[in-house]
Amino acid sequence: NAGVTQTPKFRILKIGQSMTLQCTQDMNHNYMYWYRQDPGMGLKLIYYSVGAGITDKGEVPNGYNVSRSTTEDFPLRLELAAPSQTSVYFCASSIRAGNTIYFGEGSWLTVV
Amino acid sequence: RKEVEQDPGPFNVPEGATVAFNCTYSNSASQSFFWYRQDCRKEPKLLMSVYSSGNEDGRFTAQLNRASQYISLLIRDSKLSDSASYLCVVAYSGAGSYQLTFGKGTKLSVIP
Repeated sequence: NAGVTQTPKFRILKIGQSMTLQCTQDMNHNYMYWYRQDPGMGLKLIYYSVGAGITDKGEVPNGYNVSRSTTEDFPLRLELAAPSQTSVYFCASSIRAGNTIYFGEGSWLTVV
Repeated sequence: RKEVEQDPGPFNVPEGATVAFNCTYSNSASQSFFWYRQDCRKEPKLLMSVYSSGNEDGRFTAQLNRASQYISLLIRDSKLSDSASYLCVVAYSGAGSYQLTFGKGTKLSVIP
């Protein structure tokens, strides 16, 4: 059972470049999330989705975009990367609000 | 007041000790509560949900005090493998609104 799978695991970007972090889950969960975690800090919600075709902003959405064309996939797009976006990014999913959240293994992104 | 607040620690305890963590939350309408464990450079994983009546899972006991808006985690007979960060998570779901907030985590180091 794969659970939540995100790629790539590590990436170095130059300032101004763009990239997409891929996330897929095979648990048929309705809710999906993208979080970032800076060193020594808590998780901050970037975007979330309650189902295919529906996305909503979290606490720190600026500089990011998402889409949810299928139940399984929830890619995160970084446009015009900035050093402030250097962080660990976690994709996660849950069957519904208030239920257990399952995380991917994380994507370490460095912007130089 | 921060939405979810935890003592960051670190808590350095000897093997076999009992240690307790507290977490306070600001949204009195919060409905679901969890403790997650996060190992260094890994994704968070659910440790246990927290129920109003309190609940126990082996060496771990979680309690919720709605009146005072705090949850606690008690670890008995600490093991070296318990060394990790423990994240408090609070969820609220209402009409058109869903909020899931992670605390910054409390770091535990169990020493031989």
